[in-house]
Amino acid sequence: GENVEQHPSTLSVQEGDSAVIKCTYSDSASNYFPWYKQELGKGPQLIIDIRSNVGEKKDQRIAVTLNKTAKHFSLHITETQPEDSAVYFCAARFSGGSYIPTFGRGTSLIVHP
Amino acid sequence: SAVISQKPSRDICQRGTSLTIQCQVDSQVTMMFWYRQQPGQSLTLIATANQGSEATYESGFVIDKFPISRPNLTFSTLTVSNMSPEDSSIYLCSFTQGEQYFGPGTRLTVT
Repeated sequence: GENVEQHPSTLSVQEGDSAVIKCTYSDSASNYFPWYKQELGKGPQLIIDIRSNVGEKKDQRIAVTLNKTAKHFSLHITETQPEDSAVYFCAARFSGGSYIPTFGRGTSLIVHP
Repeated sequence: SAVISQKPSRDICQRGTSLTIQCQVDSQVTMMFWYRQQPGQSLTLIATANQGSEATYESGFVIDKFPISRPNLTFSTLTVSNMSPEDSSIYLCSFTQGEQYFGPGTRLTVT
């Protein structure tokens, strides 16, 4: 089955800096890669996703890049703000099969004002 | 966007007792999912709940320990039975409708 590795487990940055979270996956059949943000006391919420036919996707201050050859994808947050502090999860799944993604272990992002 | 709620939001339970967690969605969905999130860990799928059929459990999870009901297309329950401290965790319900939505979670502490 799919295995998703996520790094780092904790990331501490100053407000205004950029943050990068990296994930690797094992199943070359995976073609859908969502990222979730989980704030304290809440469930994970989708913030951006990318499909295998695209190399990069941006949405304001967040972007995701995908390298299918190397089987890794990354989340980039620019101009970080304290409200970006949360746990971020990457995931991977094959959209033609089960709806069930495999999640990474999460990255706790702390943005210091 | 879809609204999904869970009750209770948190509970502290005694070892050996059972707790039923309720999940309500504001629209009809075919499949609902139950996840466990242990402290500092990722999201682990417990089971998939389909309306009108028995839930499908993932490896390591059994129906006797985590019975699930799915009486209609907007509601599901997960029971954590005969609890031990190792069951202390956040339990999340979820569904997929284009994207995957998660409930706010139920934080369970077993003493």
